[in-house]
Amino acid sequence: GENVEQHPSTLSVQEGDSAVIKCTYSDSASNYFPWYKQELGKRPQLIIDIRSNVGEKKDQRIAVTLNKTAKHFSLHITETQPEDSAVYFCAASIWGADGLTFGKGTHLIIQP
Amino acid sequence: EPEVTQTPSHQVTQMGQEVILRCVPISNHLYFYWYRQILGQKVEFLVSFYNNEISEKSEIFDDQFSVERPDGSNFTLKIRSTKLEDSAMYFCASRLSGKTYEQYFGPGTRLTVT
Repeated sequence: GENVEQHPSTLSVQEGDSAVIKCTYSDSASNYFPWYKQELGKRPQLIIDIRSNVGEKKDQRIAVTLNKTAKHFSLHITETQPEDSAVYFCAASIWGADGLTFGKGTHLIIQP
Repeated sequence: EPEVTQTPSHQVTQMGQEVILRCVPISNHLYFYWYRQILGQKVEFLVSFYNNEISEKSEIFDDQFSVERPDGSNFTLKIRSTKLEDSAMYFCASRLSGKTYEQYFGPGTRLTVT
């Protein structure tokens, strides 16, 4: 089955700086890659996603890039703010219809 | 904005007891999912459900688990005989249709097995 690896497990950045979280996946048939933000004790919230027919997608301060050949995708957050502090999970699914396989999460800490 | 809801928010049960976790997916969504998250770990897929039947299940979803859509709005997860290792946060999620990929998660039910 699909395996998703996520790095780093913890990322601390200064407010205003950029943050990058990276994920790799194992199954070349995967075609949907969402990113979820989870604040402590809350539900995972979809923040951005990308499909395999697109190399990059941007939504204001967040962007996701996908390299199908290398089987990796990344989340980029620019001009980080205190409210960006949370755990971020990447995920992958085959066909987009099945259950999501999640990475282990990255705890993003924004230092004031 | 419509959201997935789940009840109860916290359930405490004794080992060996049956529990039913309830979810109300977003009203016009057709695909439903259960995930679990053991404290401090990643979210793990359990089962997906479409057109009144299971469409996919993971290795975790063994004979102790079952799902049901008893009416037009609820989606339930039953654990027949709970074990200590079933203690986790259980999330329900729903997706609109076969043409959309986005899954929206509920707030979760924290299950504590003692």
